[in-house]
Amino acid sequence: AQSVAQPEDQVNVAEGNPLTVKCTYSVSGNPYLFWYVQYPNRGLQFLLKYITGDNLVKGSYGFEAEFNKSQTSFHLKKPSALVSDSALYFCAVREYTGGFKTIFGAGTRLFVKA
Amino acid sequence: EAQVTQNPRYLITVTGKKLTVTCSQNMNHEYMSWYRQDPGLGLRQIYYSMNVEVTDKGDVPEGYKVSRKEKRNFPLILESPSPNQTSLYFCASSSNRATGETQYFGPGTRLLVL
Repeated sequence: AQSVAQPEDQVNVAEGNPLTVKCTYSVSGNPYLFWYVQYPNRGLQFLLKYITGDNLVKGSYGFEAEFNKSQTSFHLKKPSALVSDSALYFCAVREYTGGFKTIFGAGTRLFVKA
Repeated sequence: EAQVTQNPRYLITVTGKKLTVTCSQNMNHEYMSWYRQDPGLGLRQIYYSMNVEVTDKGDVPEGYKVSRKEKRNFPLILESPSPNQTSLYFCASSSNRATGETQYFGPGTRLLVL
């Protein structure tokens, strides 16, 4: 069965510093991995996804993620954090088992301090 | 504007009083899904629909019903709500061409069952 782990409930970083939000996964077949962001009182917004190809995926708002098959990880990164990046981030894996099922991690709250 | 809409956005009800949360998308997507978000648990999939008249259970279907009579609509029905169904609910849609298709989320419905 597929699963997703986000080992950090919260990540704190100073504005201008690089940020990393961690995600590890477990799937039985090819991984289809996603990152979403949730701002207060808003729905989830898509950031980026890994389907196949380059291990470094670039997404919205300057975010990128590195797919590492051997470590089964898909960490979200940004070279220089902004205060406006403060939000709740979800990693997710999608699988086809006769229909599309999606498993989300528990979420990581990112605080960027000015 | 491409969007997923949900109504109502906020709902307070009492135990046992049937309710329906509506979801509609204007992107001609075949796939639609319902999730609930609870603190520390991330999002969990309730039901999904691969196309009109095709629905299936997600990971937490107990106490919920769905129907898909039209492509654009996917209502979530709680026939006898209980306090443990107090949660934040999200509807999402995507194309069903491939597992890697991006899901688009509605703004959420916050439900309180007393």
